Amino acid sequence: GENVEQHPSTLSVQEGDSAVIKCTYSDSASNYFPWYKQELGKRPQLIIDIRSNVGEKKDQRIAVTLNKTAKHFSLHITETQPEDSAVYFCAASRSGGYNKLIFGAGTRLAVHP
Amino acid sequence: GAVVSQHPSRVICKSGTSVKIECRSLDFQATTMFWYRQFPKQSLMLMATSNEGSKATYEQGVEKDKFLINHASLTLSTLTVTSAHPEDSSFYICSARDPNRGSYEQYFGPGTRLTVT
Repeated sequence: GENVEQHPSTLSVQEGDSAVIKCTYSDSASNYFPWYKQELGKRPQLIIDIRSNVGEKKDQRIAVTLNKTAKHFSLHITETQPEDSAVYFCAASRSGGYNKLIFGAGTRLAVHP
Repeated sequence: GAVVSQHPSRVICKSGTSVKIECRSLDFQATTMFWYRQFPKQSLMLMATSNEGSKATYEQGVEKDKFLINHASLTLSTLTVTSAHPEDSSFYICSARDPNRGSYEQYFGPGTRLTVT
């Protein structure tokens, strides 16, 4: 069935360093790949997304890359700050978001001052 | 962005009782809404896809007779947890996409924390 694998499960970095989280999806029909940040007890918050017709997208300190051949996409956070500490989830969906989101297991990012 | 609300935000119920959770799209119409469940320190797991005017589609392993979904209008979907047990205690979140927006983003409700005692 559809599956999204996410690594690492935990990531600890020093403030100012970069953080990279990787995901692999199984459904080759997936065409929408969002990344969410979730703080404890809150709803997931979309931080960046990418469609299958694009290989890379950047928004200030955050970037996402997509390799459709390898069915692999990654989140890159540069110049990390303590407020970036949270749980990050990748997800994949068919039909441009009209279809269900399949989530990765999550990465707990800790940014130490 | 588009707004999705949920009610209640927190609920405590006794084992064996039923609880209804509402998910509303406040400024758009949603023919499809999604219900997720999230246990502590785990990911969001899709429970079912709620379709306006028709039966919900449940994911494998989710009991449709226990988790009743009704999508009676384009702005409201409800999830009823019947005969709740302590193992049903979880964070329930709904989402929907605004078809009038160009983005593919799904908008999430704030979640409902269910505790079954």
